[in-house]
Amino acid sequence: DQQVKQNSPSLSVQEGRISILNCDYTNSMFDYFLWYKKYPAEGPTFLISISSIKDKNEDGRFTVFLNKSAKHLSLHIVPSQPGDSAVYFCAARGRSNYQLIWGAGTKLIIKP
Amino acid sequence: ETGVTQSPTHLIKTRGQQVTLRCSSQSGHNTVSWYQQALGQGPQFIFQYYREEENGRGNFPPRFSGLQFPNYSSELNVNALELDDSALYLCASSPRERGASYEQYFGPGTRLTVT
Repeated sequence: DQQVKQNSPSLSVQEGRISILNCDYTNSMFDYFLWYKKYPAEGPTFLISISSIKDKNEDGRFTVFLNKSAKHLSLHIVPSQPGDSAVYFCAARGRSNYQLIWGAGTKLIIKP
Repeated sequence: ETGVTQSPTHLIKTRGQQVTLRCSSQSGHNTVSWYQQALGQGPQFIFQYYREEENGRGNFPPRFSGLQFPNYSSELNVNALELDDSALYLCASSPRERGASYEQYFGPGTRLTVT
């Protein structure tokens, strides 16, 4: 039972364009969502988060949008840079207040 | 500020053996979580420790156990290793006092291979 789904295993985007990574969830009790970025041989690095009481959060080139009615969130990166090439994970805070439920990740490739 | 460190980096064990993985949390962080990440999947929550007590557990059998020490470092122990235990084991620390531990800071992981 996958409560957090990232349906695109990979995404290729031209440098300078917008990258949009998507995430769907099934549990309406999730109240906090996070995006992490992971390079090979490194642990995930926190990128940006959003509370369920908001529909948008912006931090520099990164913006996360939350659509609660659709149980969908997306991460926008603009403009995309070569250093953005990594695996991006969406995670949601579970009911228990300590457990993060993770998607399977989307590999983003930024083409020069 | 020192980040989260894990040891060893890589480990090869035989089925049935026991293994101990170690984690040093980031300075000032009193909460440590352990995750298992199989190839091509997202991390799966194993358990969390807060002030030396287990503070929540995911869907893992009792042969997965842990400890947190007074300096907030932590160990993950796995007994009776099975082939399916082969994975990347990630440790993450967070500063609990700042509110719920949403933002977790990860170490580079320990790659465990069970043969």
